[in-house]
This record gives sequence, C-alpha cells and structure tokens, in this order.
Amino acid sequence: DAKTTQPNSMESNEEEPVHLPCNHSTISGTDYIHWYRQLPSQGPEYVIHGLTSNVNNRMASLAIAEDRKSSTLILHRATLRDAAVYYCILRRALGLIGSSYKLIFGSGTRLLVRP
Amino acid sequence: DGGITQSPKYLFRKEGQNVTLSCEQNLNHDAMYWYRQDPGQGLRLIYYSQIVNDFQKGDIAEGYSVSREKKESFPLTVTSAQKNPTAFYLCASIPDRGYGYTFGSGTRLTVV
Repeated sequence: DAKTTQPNSMESNEEEPVHLPCNHSTISGTDYIHWYRQLPSQGPEYVIHGLTSNVNNRMASLAIAEDRKSSTLILHRATLRDAAVYYCILRRALGLIGSSYKLIFGSGTRLLVRP
Repeated sequence: DGGITQSPKYLFRKEGQNVTLSCEQNLNHDAMYWYRQDPGQGLRLIYYSQIVNDFQKGDIAEGYSVSREKKESFPLTVTSAQKNPTAFYLCASIPDRGYGYTFGSGTRLTVV
C-alpha cells in the first residue's frame, strides 16, 4: 500500500531555512502530494500541495522530484511558531464521483526550532 | 467564522459502552471524514461521507458507525465492538472540487 517516509525529527535555528524531506516511492500517477502540520492536541493544518510541478505559497514551497518519488517542503525562514509535526501525505481519490479523497499519512517529522 | 466544531474535547468511556462524538461544520462542505490518530502516528480513515444520507467505510471502520442526516453534521459512534478505542479522533471536511481539508480540533477518547 502507498505510504510516505519521513525523518522522525529535525532541528532548525530561527530565521534559517528548513528543508523537510519525504519519500513516497509507491505514489500512483493520480496521487497528489500534500503537506499538513499539526500542533499538540489540535487538528492538522493544510500547508501546501502539488502534483508534478514545484509550488509556492505564502507559507512554504514544495519541491517535487521529477520521478515524483520524493518531495521536499521548504520553510524559507523558520519561526518559533513553525515548530510542529509536519506530515507528508498522499491524497488519493476514493471514487469516480464528487471530490472524495483519502489522505494517506506517514508518521511525520517533528520540527524543533531553536531561538 | 466558518469552521468545524467537535465535541466534547475529552471523553471517557467505560468498557462495553457506546459513545457518540459530535462533528458540526458551517462551511457548506459536501464531503466529511472521520480519522483516528494514535500516539506518535499519522491519521487513519474511519468513515467518510460525500453527500447527505450516504457514507462509506474507510480503512478501519470496524467497531464504529456514522450517520449523515444533515449536511452540517456527521456524528461518529464508537461501539463496544471497538476493542481499542482510546485515541484522538479528528473530523474533517472539504468543499466540492477543493483541495485542502479543514480539520476540527479533535476529541480525545479514553477508556476507563
């Protein structure tokens, strides 16, 4: 079954860039790559997503390998508020009708930001 | 502000009891989902619903039941058949043709 693999934890200094890697070698052609982050005792928060091309938004950038078997979430300047568990997720369609999708989670990377 | 409200935040269940977790959204989203999270792990899909009066089993539906009588509401019942119900339960929704899920803040269920 499809899954994602991420480092258990990473550390960064405040104001420095952070590169969070993810392997998803069993990705299928229609799976989107999503990233969410989660603070303790809260629901995950959407960060960014992509299919084949690199993506940028106000929160982060997503770099996707040409073969789509890996991706990297880039936080350009880490702040203390970015400390969270970051999940690399495959979004897979559940059927042919409507917009139902399943999010396939890995175990996530716990990001620690040092002041 | 629109969002998803889950209640209660904490819930304690005795062995053999059924309990119901509430999930309400005012985002006008069609699709709603229930996920379970165990410590140190990602989320796993329990049930999902694309439209009112329709729902489908996810990966770990055994011991759970749901209903979708209203677009805004998608309650989850944890039955006595669920042998290991202690977990963090998250409800989510997504608009039609949307890409980002909105999650509630979760219910932490503990068996006592």
